[in-house]
Amino acid sequence: TQLLEQSPQFLSIQEGENLTVYCNSSSVFSSLQWYRQEPGEGPVLLVTVVTGGEVKKLKRLTFQFGDARKDSSLHITAAQPGDTGLYLCAGAWYYGNKLVFGAGTILRVKS
Amino acid sequence: ETGVTQTPRHLVMGMTNKKSLKCEQHLGHNAMYWYKQSAKKPLELMFVYNFKEQTENNSVPSRFSPECPNSSHLFLHLHTLQPEDSALYLCASSQQGTGETDTQYFGPGTRLTVL
Repeated sequence: TQLLEQSPQFLSIQEGENLTVYCNSSSVFSSLQWYRQEPGEGPVLLVTVVTGGEVKKLKRLTFQFGDARKDSSLHITAAQPGDTGLYLCAGAWYYGNKLVFGAGTILRVKS
Repeated sequence: ETGVTQTPRHLVMGMTNKKSLKCEQHLGHNAMYWYKQSAKKPLELMFVYNFKEQTENNSVPSRFSPECPNSSHLFLHLHTLQPEDSALYLCASSQQGTGETDTQYFGPGTRLTVL
């Protein structure tokens, strides 16, 4: 059983469509991070959410941290082919410096 | 460019070979990490070093041996690996003890294939 469940595992959409990726857990985290990883590269941090209920926007990307700090979502508006990649969520505990990662969502945006 | 470099980027080795992966961070961080990334599985934390001291060994087989000579460099020594060890090995670094959230910065990874 994974501590962080991401859904969907794979998403293939047309350019211009909207999409939402979910990250769920039964554990409470001090913060949650979203990363994007392209083939042959390491994950690159997109955003860190810290406060329960927090919403952060990064251009067409909207990130939300659940009120109970157990779940998060990533919404992309008007997806572009450049958004294609593996999206990873990672939860941080209150103590120590360990992150627990979800298995990721592979997004493919077709032009 | 995240400030974390890894060499080599690709490595093919036999099960009897000995090789080493190298990671260097140029961010002035005090913590470094090794992760293993296999297809369709979450990133697996292998080792954590804080201030050059190993603080986490996540039940990693002894055929993987980490070394952290200083806060900027991290090595992963490999010997007598198995084909199931083939994966992308990622290095990351972070700054701990400043009250900030645990943001980790990743290198590009080494794609390892064990024949």
